[in-house]
Amino acid sequence: QSVLTQPPSASGTPGQRVTISCSGSSSNIGSYTVNWYQQLPGTAPKLLIYSNNQRPSGVPDRFSGSKSGTSASLAISGLQSEDEADYYCAAWHDNLNGWVFGGGTKLTVL
Amino acid sequence: QLQLQESGPGLVKPSETLSLTCTVSSGSISSSSSYWGWVRQPPGKGLEWIGNIYYSGSTSYNPSLKSRVTISVDTSKNQFSLKLSSVTAADTAVYYCARDRALYGAFTMDVWGKGTTVTVSS
Repeated sequence: QSVLTQPPSASGTPGQRVTISCSGSSSNIGSYTVNWYQQLPGTAPKLLIYSNNQRPSGVPDRFSGSKSGTSASLAISGLQSEDEADYYCAAWHDNLNGWVFGGGTKLTVL
Repeated sequence: QLQLQESGPGLVKPSETLSLTCTVSSGSISSSSSYWGWVRQPPGKGLEWIGNIYYSGSTSYNPSLKSRVTISVDTSKNQFSLKLSSVTAADTAVYYCARDRALYGAFTMDVWGKGTTVTVSS
């Protein structure tokens, strides 16, 4: 069982907007910034959003992140077929003195 | 562009020690703004942080693995390594190395290796 809680699945049709939630506690999301990763099938995780809402160079602005209290969200607008992937949230955890991840959300583009 | 590459045996026997190395290229492992870490992913499951190391040798480990894990660094070779002892089938996973860098005031695992599959089986 993961320390951060994500829905196991999400779906949408091309062009739609979808959001993926990530719930934690005061020991992780409540105290530290949240990062989001995209993992395409058979590949390594790729940094998608860092520091709650910052996009690395090359990540389309269709991807956005937000954080409020002990929860965070990833939003994908203008959904495309190539967005079909697993998405993970991550945050530093005080008591563990290390990174914790969500269990991952499998996004299906219908 | 910084690149990371994992290497090591793909098959390890139960009760033995898993040993992997991550080679850093197009960048220095001695960067003052970076830690270097390991993450694993069992088949069909999510990501699990194993631990990280600073170029000085300072380490941090996942408490659930701490008794079996050792991460070390060799700055002369621009490499860092993972050793996981007394492995069982539950340690079968894809193992990734990653850079943990200070970005926008917080640390982020921003560059990852492609991963290497390790199977524990006799």
